[in-house]
Amino acid sequence: TQLLEQSPQFLSIQEGENLTVYCNSSSVFSSLQWYRQEPGEGPVLLVTVVTGGEVKKLKRLTFQFGDARKDSSLHITAAQPGDTGLYLCAGARSGGYQKVTFGTGTKLQVIP
Amino acid sequence: SAVISQKPSRDICQRGTSLTIQCQVDSQVTMMFWYRQQPGQSLTLIATANQGSEATYESGFVIDKFPISRPNLTFSTLTVSNMSPEDSSIYLCSVVVGSGVYNEQFFGPGTRLTVL
Repeated sequence: TQLLEQSPQFLSIQEGENLTVYCNSSSVFSSLQWYRQEPGEGPVLLVTVVTGGEVKKLKRLTFQFGDARKDSSLHITAAQPGDTGLYLCAGARSGGYQKVTFGTGTKLQVIP
Repeated sequence: SAVISQKPSRDICQRGTSLTIQCQVDSQVTMMFWYRQQPGQSLTLIATANQGSEATYESGFVIDKFPISRPNLTFSTLTVSNMSPEDSSIYLCSVVVGSGVYNEQFFGPGTRLTVL
C-alpha cells in the first residue's frame, strides 16, 4: 500500500500568518494533486504537479513537487478565513490514469 | 469539467436496513469511483464503477455489502446493505475527466449516512 503522510494533521492559525503543509511518501508518483474540501462538500482540485522540482502558484498558494517526485508541499501566504478547510494531497502512479492514493489530510482553521 | 450530484445528501437509517445512493454526472465519463470518508479525514476508495461490467472492489470491500450499478456513462448507484453503525460515514461519488497526467478528478457533494 502506498501511503501519503501529511503533516501537520491539524493547524489553527491567525489570519495573516503563513503556513506550510507537507505530503510525504516513500513511493514515486507520476503526478501529485492537491485538493481542498469544505464541510458538506466534496474535495475540489487546486493543482496538479507532474515534474520533479516543479513549482506552481495559485494566488497566495504555492505548490512544490519534490525532485524525486515522492513528496510535495503547499505553502499559503497571509492566510485568510476562506482558506479554512481540509487539504488533501493525492498521488497517481505512472502508466495512464491510475487510482490515486489520497494523503492523510490536514485540517486548517484560519481564525479572523 | 464535470458537475456531479448525489442523492440523498444525508440520511439516518436503522441498522439492518439498506440505503441506495445515486450519483448523476452532467457528461459522459468512463471512470467513476465510490469513496468513503470519515468527517475531517482522508478518503478510502470503495470501488471503481465500470459501465457494462461488474464493479472492481478494493481490499476490504465486497459486492454483497456494497453492490454497485453503472447502467450508463452518466449514472451510478451504490447500495450500503445490512447497515451497522460502523457504516456511518460520508459516501462520495467521483469521476475522472481528461487523459494522461493532467486528468482531473471531480467529486460529488457526498452523502452523509448515520446508522443508528
